[in-house]
Amino acid sequence: SYEVTQSLSVSVAPGQTANILCGGTNIGSKNVHWYQQRPGQAPVLVMYDNTKRPSGIPERFSGSNSGDTATLTISRAQAGDEADYYCQVWASYTVVFGGGTKLTVL
Amino acid sequence: EVRLVESGGGFVHPGGSLRLSCAASGFNFTTSEVHWVRQAPGKGLEWVSYIHSTGHSIYYAESVKGRFTISRDNAKKSLYLQMDSLRVEDTAVYYCARHSTTSFYMDVWGSGTTVTVSS
Repeated sequence: SYEVTQSLSVSVAPGQTANILCGGTNIGSKNVHWYQQRPGQAPVLVMYDNTKRPSGIPERFSGSNSGDTATLTISRAQAGDEADYYCQVWASYTVVFGGGTKLTVL
Repeated sequence: EVRLVESGGGFVHPGGSLRLSCAASGFNFTTSEVHWVRQAPGKGLEWVSYIHSTGHSIYYAESVKGRFTISRDNAKKSLYLQMDSLRVEDTAVYYCARHSTTSFYMDVWGSGTTVTVSS
């Protein structure tokens, strides 16, 4: 079965850029989607098909995907961006989530 | 407003059963594919099951195959998850989520319902 891996945590200073990585074998050949989950809330889609932002998601959020790594980039990080972020792919008729990355803005 | 509202969670002993429901509103549920996703306390997201708009294609995670049954009633705009032979490790918040019409992601999520399996 296909697996995707994420680092447990990423820290960023306010106003700086955070890169959240999602690794998988040849993940660049798949569409990767990203969800933000704040404490006690349901997940929210923040990026789909590698690089597309849903309406309402700030332009500070961007995505890329190549080789064995997909990346969610958050520019000019704000305190409100603190959350868990999950990458997701579709593989062999199953939905696969990464383990999640906790973003801390400090 | 597009909404998904889960219900039916609660406390159950190991080996017991529970039926979750998810009520849809604000969009055409009849043509929508939907998922169940769960999240154990302090853990990440885990996909549970998927059902096509017609109900003719259904997929399950290995961890629940043979114990959980997904179904839908398009006339009632509702999604269900029948959970049998429950285990302690099934304890989680269960979310229903709408499958995108354009690609393989979930674009709308409910707020979740909590299932606790404990002796």
